[in-house]
Amino acid sequence: DIQMTQSPSTLSASVGDRVTITCRASQSISSWLAWYQQKPGKAPKLLIYKASSLESGVPSRFSGSGSGTEFTLTISSLQPDDFATYYCQQYNSLFTFGPGTKVDIK
Amino acid sequence: QVQLQESGPGLVKPSQTLSLTCTVSGGSISSGGYYWSWIRQHPGKGLEWIGYIYYSGSTYYNPSLKSRVTISVDTSKNQFSLKLSSVTAADTAVYYCARDKSHCSSTSCYTLWAFDIWGQGTMVTVSS
Repeated sequence: DIQMTQSPSTLSASVGDRVTITCRASQSISSWLAWYQQKPGKAPKLLIYKASSLESGVPSRFSGSGSGTEFTLTISSLQPDDFATYYCQQYNSLFTFGPGTKVDIK
Repeated sequence: QVQLQESGPGLVKPSQTLSLTCTVSGGSISSGGYYWSWIRQHPGKGLEWIGYIYYSGSTYYNPSLKSRVTISVDTSKNQFSLKLSSVTAADTAVYYCARDKSHCSSTSCYTLWAFDIWGQGTMVTVSS
């Protein structure tokens, strides 16, 4: 099975900060990597699919990059609505999610 | 637009079978081209994909749960369902149904292996 890791597990930041979250796969997954945002008590929301494609309606301050085993999610200028937990998810015959990165207020 | 809604008992006894239904509105399961999944989240933890059913009825399950999972579809009711047998406290979680993001043309669809539509989730507790 492909294992996913994320770093950091928690990130403290301020409004306006540039934030980068890294996701690594235990083996190559090509570009089948998605990113989600989840707020307490809510379902995850798709932000990025196929490593770098922005989901419709998602602000352009979110961007994704990477391929193979290393991927990043970048928020160019953190907004108050962005404080949440972020998960990466890979597909390679089955789906697995990363453990999450909580972005909280510094 | 398509919306998903989970329903089912919130409390299940150990060793029994957990049964949940996802009702699809705003679109038809049988229109084709989509994978319909169940995903769970243990309290305060990450996400675990359980399995999917394709509109044609073919299924694929997470190997870690495969021996206990059945996903089925009822196109007449525009619903798909999850059954998880022999539950224990470790199956206590929020259960989500979700649909994959697909790109569809007039003649075919291909999946992008991400989940763009989710239900709100339903908490299931396994306890006697």
